Amino acid sequence: GESVGLHLPTLSVQEGDNSIINCAYSNSASDYFIWYKQESGKGPQFIIDIRSNMDKRQGQRVTVLLNKTVKHLSLQIAATQPGDSAVYFCAERANYGQNFVFGPGTRLSVLP
Amino acid sequence: DAGVIQSPRHEVTEMGQEVTLRCKPISGHNSLFWYRQTMMRGLELLIYFNNNVPIDDSGMPEDRFSAKMPNASFSTLKIQPSEPRDSAVYFCASSFASGNTIYFGEGSWLTVV
Repeated sequence: GESVGLHLPTLSVQEGDNSIINCAYSNSASDYFIWYKQESGKGPQFIIDIRSNMDKRQGQRVTVLLNKTVKHLSLQIAATQPGDSAVYFCAERANYGQNFVFGPGTRLSVLP
Repeated sequence: DAGVIQSPRHEVTEMGQEVTLRCKPISGHNSLFWYRQTMMRGLELLIYFNNNVPIDDSGMPEDRFSAKMPNASFSTLKIQPSEPRDSAVYFCASSFASGNTIYFGEGSWLTVV
């Protein structure tokens, strides 16, 4: 069945370093992926998305990489800041019109 | 845009009481979702609506849970009677159409004692 999993449930990085959060997915038919950030006491917030016809997409300080060969998604955060501390979820969509399946999340802690 | 608006933000209730959670989706969005988030199970989709019509309620835990969407700008999730194991954060979310980017509200934090 469809599933989205994360390799690392927690990640601690030094302020200013780059962060890499990983996500594995099992459905090769998935065509759209989103990364969400959830801060304590708040709802998940859209960060960046990528479609299956791309392998890289960049935003402000964030980059998402998609490797369809190994069904792997990653979120890179450049120059990690204290405000980046949150839980990050990946979500996949099996195909257009279907709903998203969310991973369990990775907690990112930024150390001073 | 104000985003998805949920109320109440926090609710503490006694076991057996009825709980009603409310949601106003983003204007123009025609898909609405109710999710539940717990430490043990993460984010679970309970039910979603397209154009005010319930499409998939297979995630609703049991008959104690019900959801309605009487119009495009309002939805409720009701738990009756509530039980301690219902304690969780309940998120409402909306999207322009099913399969498009989902935008979440800030959640309703429910504690049943």
